[in-house]
Amino acid sequence: DTAVSQTPKYLVTQMGNDKSIKCEQNLGHDTMYWYKQDSKKFLKIMFSYNNKELIINETVPNRFSPKSPDKAHLNLHINSLELGDSAVYFCASSHLYGGAFFGQGTRLTVV
Amino acid sequence: GQQLNQSPQSMFIQEGEDVSMNCTSSSIFNTWLWYKQDPGEGPVLLIALYKAGELTSNGRLTAQFGITRKDSFLNISASIPSDVGIYFCAGPEETSGSRLTFGEGTQLTVNP
Repeated sequence: DTAVSQTPKYLVTQMGNDKSIKCEQNLGHDTMYWYKQDSKKFLKIMFSYNNKELIINETVPNRFSPKSPDKAHLNLHINSLELGDSAVYFCASSHLYGGAFFGQGTRLTVV
Repeated sequence: GQQLNQSPQSMFIQEGEDVSMNCTSSSIFNTWLWYKQDPGEGPVLLIALYKAGELTSNGRLTAQFGITRKDSFLNISASIPSDVGIYFCAGPEETSGSRLTFGEGTQLTVNP
């Protein structure tokens, strides 16, 4: 009964490939997020969706495209992967102004 | 955006010791959140603070929301080995309540 689940947990891929990370939450939250954690463990928001609508879009390359088919899902598609995209990507959800609940993370390694 | 300065960056302590870490900001936050991240896992919400001056406990953890609304601290009493991890403070930004700003984290190591 995982509250926020994301798949896959590990992703190793070659430069130039396109990949997707999926996220689902069963908490009934109306807001979902994607965060990136770099090698220094710094957490930075990438995107935020409220009721399937994009409300935050930080300065990330447009190779990153989030898709929210419904309130419970927020997927992240990445085109033309680069070495610098290697990081841990976290999905999270919350009520609009509440504390966020995080998934287990997807460790992306681009080789 | 708003920034949170968290200190110390790392701590090495003996089991049984008490720990204190804090977070400061140059701007006001209306909510302070404290998270813990275990290795290989996502951050887990430990304590949420909503009012200036509020003091809240969760087991051996105690956190306070500073009166000025620009700082918060987290104390852990009688540390145990499973307290090891990275502790983050966070708060929603004024201009966008759904965007959480995170501190840089405090890496805690507990020696048995």
